[in-house]
Amino acid sequence: AQKVTQAQTEISVVEKEDVTLDCVYETRDTTYYLFWYKQPPSGELVFLIRRNSFDEQNEISGRYSWNFQKSTSSFNFTITASQVVDSAVYFCAVRGEGQNFVFGPGTRLSVLP
Amino acid sequence: GAVVSQHPSWVICKSGTSVKIECRSLDFQATTMFWYRQFPKQSLMLMATSNEGSKATYEQGVEKDKFLINHASLTLSTLTVTSAHPEDSSFYICSARDGGANQPQHFGDGTRLSIL
Repeated sequence: AQKVTQAQTEISVVEKEDVTLDCVYETRDTTYYLFWYKQPPSGELVFLIRRNSFDEQNEISGRYSWNFQKSTSSFNFTITASQVVDSAVYFCAVRGEGQNFVFGPGTRLSVLP
Repeated sequence: GAVVSQHPSWVICKSGTSVKIECRSLDFQATTMFWYRQFPKQSLMLMATSNEGSKATYEQGVEKDKFLINHASLTLSTLTVTSAHPEDSSFYICSARDGGANQPQHFGDGTRLSIL
């Protein structure tokens, strides 16, 4: 069975602060994929990153960075110098090989001006 | 990049009517399509998976007679909510994939359904 836990239901930060969104996953597959999506108030899902289980390199894309720790089954997401436009619900998801997506419950991030 | 178009984006209708939502892959062939439902402040829950030309596979607890899914072509899947009631009000999101299970899955922008 697959499962994703996002322990932070809601986070509020002030603009320019750094914020880390936690994600812990469970899967029995040795090959799996991890994802982060952003869902702004308009509702559409915005793809942020996909990482496969064999690639533990951390990734940075602009103000976004991801820390994949296989030993702790975590795939945390950090936004540096947050902006008001970052306000959204962020979903972490896991998909085992041949399996369907399983989304976490989401973390609602509010960035205050 | 791959685009999935969902229509309509918003629909309001009276209780008892049936509502059809379309999901189209615009620049790739969607051999598999997925329908998700998202209630307010909750996560996305998979309702069903459909392969082109085959009957949809429904997740446990999803009524197949209530939520009719048709995936008649490689670029179009439809979800029909039959005899909709207020409790069916939700955000419905489709997703499409070209090829095997490890291919990227692309999401539509969702349809907000409100039943009065």
